[in-house]
Amino acid sequence: DGGITQSPKYLFRKEGQNVTLSCEQNLNHDAMYWYRQDPGQGLRLIYYSQIVNDFQKGDIAEGYSVSREKKESFPLTVTSAQKNPTAFYLCASSVPGLRVSDTQYFGPGTRLTVL
Amino acid sequence: ELKVEQNPLFLSMQEGKNYTIYCNYSTTSDRLYWYRQDPGKSLESLFVLLSNGAVKQEGRLMASLDTKARLSTLHITAAVHDLSATYFCAVVLFTSGTYKYIFGTGTRLKVLA
Repeated sequence: DGGITQSPKYLFRKEGQNVTLSCEQNLNHDAMYWYRQDPGQGLRLIYYSQIVNDFQKGDIAEGYSVSREKKESFPLTVTSAQKNPTAFYLCASSVPGLRVSDTQYFGPGTRLTVL
Repeated sequence: ELKVEQNPLFLSMQEGKNYTIYCNYSTTSDRLYWYRQDPGKSLESLFVLLSNGAVKQEGRLMASLDTKARLSTLHITAAVHDLSATYFCAVVLFTSGTYKYIFGTGTRLKVLA
């Protein structure tokens, strides 16, 4: 079955550590996105990528980094510069254009907690 | 800057009642999306609305789009407990050669038995 996987489901980070969240998709989508969701809040865009080896900053990119070396993979690194990283992180993918009925497909999410 | 606002933010309703969630956005967009999120879970796509006057229905949910008013509604008919969730609308913005999805704040719906 096609879909998006994220790992781990839960992640604990000590202060000063960098951690990497995995996102893999087998939907053959070119575009991939990372969002952050805080409790009771909406989604805020961290980074997005329309094609391999290219990505753009979203609205809250500070303290995060990404890479897009393969079409299927878009890992997110939460660096020690991100002072308040505790949140629910969602990865999504879509086709890059806007064909009829296109939508974003979301992974199951990673819940990151700072200890 | 494109802003997407939903109201109400919280909605508690009795089973069997009808209600409408509103989604306003501040600039033109090619389309509007509705998603559902259960507590602790990811987002599930409900509707994609592609043009002015578009209406889509699935079960007890019906979504509509008025691009002139920059308004979408999600109408709930005869609510049941299983509809309890948070509902998000989102619009898409074409900027710098790429597409960005901008999400509303969400409406947390609780249906009481």
